[in-house]
Amino acid sequence: ETGVTQSPTHLIKTRGQQVTLRCSSQSGHNTVSWYQQALGQGPQFIFQYYREEENGRGNFPPRFSGLQFPNYSSELNVNALELDDSALYLCASRIGQGEAFFGQGTRLTVV
Amino acid sequence: AQSVTQPDIHITVSEGASLELRCNYSYGATPYLFWYVQSPGQGLQLLLKYFSGDTLVQGIKGFEAEFKRSQSSFNLRKPSVHWSDAAEYFCAVGARGGSYIPTFGRGTSLIVHP
Repeated sequence: ETGVTQSPTHLIKTRGQQVTLRCSSQSGHNTVSWYQQALGQGPQFIFQYYREEENGRGNFPPRFSGLQFPNYSSELNVNALELDDSALYLCASRIGQGEAFFGQGTRLTVV
Repeated sequence: AQSVTQPDIHITVSEGASLELRCNYSYGATPYLFWYVQSPGQGLQLLLKYFSGDTLVQGIKGFEAEFKRSQSSFNLRKPSVHWSDAAEYFCAVGARGGSYIPTFGRGTSLIVHP
């Protein structure tokens, strides 16, 4: 149990729809990162937030956006869903350069 | 930019045998290095990390890893594998300074035979 919780655990969406995934960070962790993990692949970095500001972004299009709230919980929003967006989405929280604790992920299926 | 190569997609060992999972990284300086484990349907759990100091790092569950700068490697080892070690293992490299965002390898799937 890492203290990082993600919701929902599973989700099925139709191509073209929009989706919001949620992450509740471990208490006191001010940095949250989001990753996309396609089947059989390692996690790919999407973006990172530190104290409600985005401070790092991977090679993902603008239809992937996020928010971090004052309580350090976070959202990942994906617009205009494509079939290739089907993946496990992981969030991880940490303080500074300390250990990153991962949630169990949200499995998104786009049909 | 940093990158990680895990050359073995699958590794099969017998229970009780020793294990070594390979990891090579590319980075212009000494990076932060990590090994994570992922069981089916689960998130990632940190096994061990290297930031500085002793190049032989001890982790949880009896794992260790050795940082070899000359070979740009950070291989994971365990002297005796248990059936419960069957999982996906990911090596990751993080850049020092800046936003400190780890880059993951594609993973090695460990299969343990009884």
